[in-house]
Amino acid sequence: EPEVTQTPSHQVTQMGQEVILRCVPISNHLYFYWYRQILGQKVEFLVSFYNNEISEKSEIFDDQFSVERPDGSNFTLKIRSTKLEDSAMYFCASSSGQGALQPQHFGDGTRLSIL
Amino acid sequence: GQSLEQPSEVTAVEGAIVQINCTYQTSGFYGLSWYQQHDGGAPTFLSYNGLDGLEETGRFSSFLSRSDSYGYLLLQELQMKDSASYFCAVRYGQNFVFGPGTRLSVLP
Repeated sequence: EPEVTQTPSHQVTQMGQEVILRCVPISNHLYFYWYRQILGQKVEFLVSFYNNEISEKSEIFDDQFSVERPDGSNFTLKIRSTKLEDSAMYFCASSSGQGALQPQHFGDGTRLSIL
Repeated sequence: GQSLEQPSEVTAVEGAIVQINCTYQTSGFYGLSWYQQHDGGAPTFLSYNGLDGLEETGRFSSFLSRSDSYGYLLLQELQMKDSASYFCAVRYGQNFVFGPGTRLSVLP
């Protein structure tokens, strides 16, 4: 069964540095998402992406964050000037359609640790 | 508003039936989804309700009442592997809001 893959599985970065989290969505999916989950807390929506542009973003997704689909397969989340509170699990997800009926398939996540 | 409420924890024994409730306060509601997440794992889609009523998928069923802004996930014939966190989620446009999650512990 096709799956969403994320790299790296764990990223350790010094505060103030930039990080890029990478995702390869399922190949025939058109909608892409990033979520954040702080340890022990709920999954928080960051951004959705369709047709090479952001569809919607949450209040969390400020100027510190950006997303890009640099080629036909990768979908990246860049975090600039990282802060301690950016430490969390970041999940990428993709879906074939827009409706809520279309399930989102999640990757295994990247654990980001800011020191 | 975009607020969802779930019980924080539920405990049950193997073979039992458990119901996890979700209430929401929304505008522009597009339906209620349920996801399962094991510790250290990724959320996995379980079910979706766009209309009122019950949707059944094997041991799991999900119910929605839009007039009451309420839904639930029903898990039957509980197994140890069902121990996980369960999140309800609502879509607003392309923005998805997850509930705080319910941690289900299944005891032998």
